[in-house]
Amino acid sequence: DGGITQSPKYLFRKEGQNVTLSCEQNLNHDAMYWYRQDPGQGLRLIYYSQIVNDFQKGDIAEGYSVSREKKESFPLTVTSAQKNPTAFYLCASSPRPHTASDQPQHFGDGTRLSIL
Amino acid sequence: GENVEQHPSTLSVQEGDSAVIKCTYSDSASNYFPWYKQELGKRPQLIIDIRSNVGEKKDQRIAVTLNKTAKHFSLHITETQPEDSAVYFCAGEKLTFGTGTRLTIIP
Repeated sequence: DGGITQSPKYLFRKEGQNVTLSCEQNLNHDAMYWYRQDPGQGLRLIYYSQIVNDFQKGDIAEGYSVSREKKESFPLTVTSAQKNPTAFYLCASSPRPHTASDQPQHFGDGTRLSIL
Repeated sequence: GENVEQHPSTLSVQEGDSAVIKCTYSDSASNYFPWYKQELGKRPQLIIDIRSNVGEKKDQRIAVTLNKTAKHFSLHITETQPEDSAVYFCAGEKLTFGTGTRLTIIP
């Protein structure tokens, strides 16, 4: 399902740099999410947005920032304050806000971020 | 927040046998439980989900059962095939994922 596009697929960051990961969806979904996936671990929620111009912190928001200026876009910035940013980042969307039941998520293909 | 525990972390079964993965959750108010399959290097994809008004749901070779009293739900894969090899994640309603089960089907 090509409804969610993440770019780039691979990203390299130098120490002290901020980098921004792109996530675009054409599914007309209200809610969008960012997850971090580390080897052998599940998906951990970084930030989510239920509606344009609104977003909430997830379980591991420290060192990250987001914006939701448009319904279809939810970029994630990994700041220099994130001390261990090497991970696989997944963006997802769902038709309705996550507090409702019956809200299957659609995922993008992910961005793999590495530190040089 | 909600806590979701998933077991086992790895599972190997002979091709044709059945596989069962179990998750427990902490929030008794949860009503929706999805399962995702993630093949190596690919995105997680929803494979089946269950809502609290039913105890079991089947879709061909996969099924999910829910026990609300005990607060656990399980994924059952029958007649396993090599393409079933992947990491499987359960999730609770509040976007808490289990740590995943790496399923390997042995030909």
